Amino acid sequence: GQSLEQPSEVTAVEGAIVQINCTYQTSGFYGLSWYQQHDGGAPTFLSYNALDGLEETGRFSSFLSRSDSYGYLLLQELQMKDSASYFCAVRGVSGNTGKLIFGQGTTLQVKP
Amino acid sequence: NAGVTQTPKFRILKIGQSMTLQCTQDMNHNYMYWYRQDPGMGLKLIYYSVGAGITDKGEVPNGYNVSRSTTEDFPLRLELAAPSQTSVYFCASLGLANTGELFFGEGSRLTVL
Repeated sequence: GQSLEQPSEVTAVEGAIVQINCTYQTSGFYGLSWYQQHDGGAPTFLSYNALDGLEETGRFSSFLSRSDSYGYLLLQELQMKDSASYFCAVRGVSGNTGKLIFGQGTTLQVKP
Repeated sequence: NAGVTQTPKFRILKIGQSMTLQCTQDMNHNYMYWYRQDPGMGLKLIYYSVGAGITDKGEVPNGYNVSRSTTEDFPLRLELAAPSQTSVYFCASLGLANTGELFFGEGSRLTVL
């Protein structure tokens, strides 16, 4: 089937580095995306990996390895405002170019 | 630039009622999506469209219908509302650049009593 697995919760302290993993059981997708969602808000786009390797955007980096069916989001220099839910997503599952599904999300709690 | 606009933001329905959630985007995006999000959970794909006149089922389509008569509009119809449809609904469109970026509306919070 098509599924993306993420840890449900991660806790870290301000200033630290945290990695949120996403493993998937699907193939043929176009790329792996990451979204941030604060309580009561809409998801906002963070990063996208079309190819294997590391993409860096400021304090956030994202990595994809298709051979390992694995990706991660790396958050550096954590700030209190980074406390939110983080979702990985893939498009193009099962040969359907438009189909875009999300993982269950990881709640990140940043402590002082 | 308004982006993706959803209406209404809040709605309370009685069991068995029907309603339409409206979604419009002004970015000329071909791909549009409807998701639902239950408390503490991820986004589940209800329906999606890759262009005007083309729609397809997502992960949880039962109890919903969509249409896509124009590029701009992608309404979601709930028929015979049930308590299980209490959720937050998000409409989104996929950017034209190959960045994988979805642009989301603010969400519609629906309660069925």
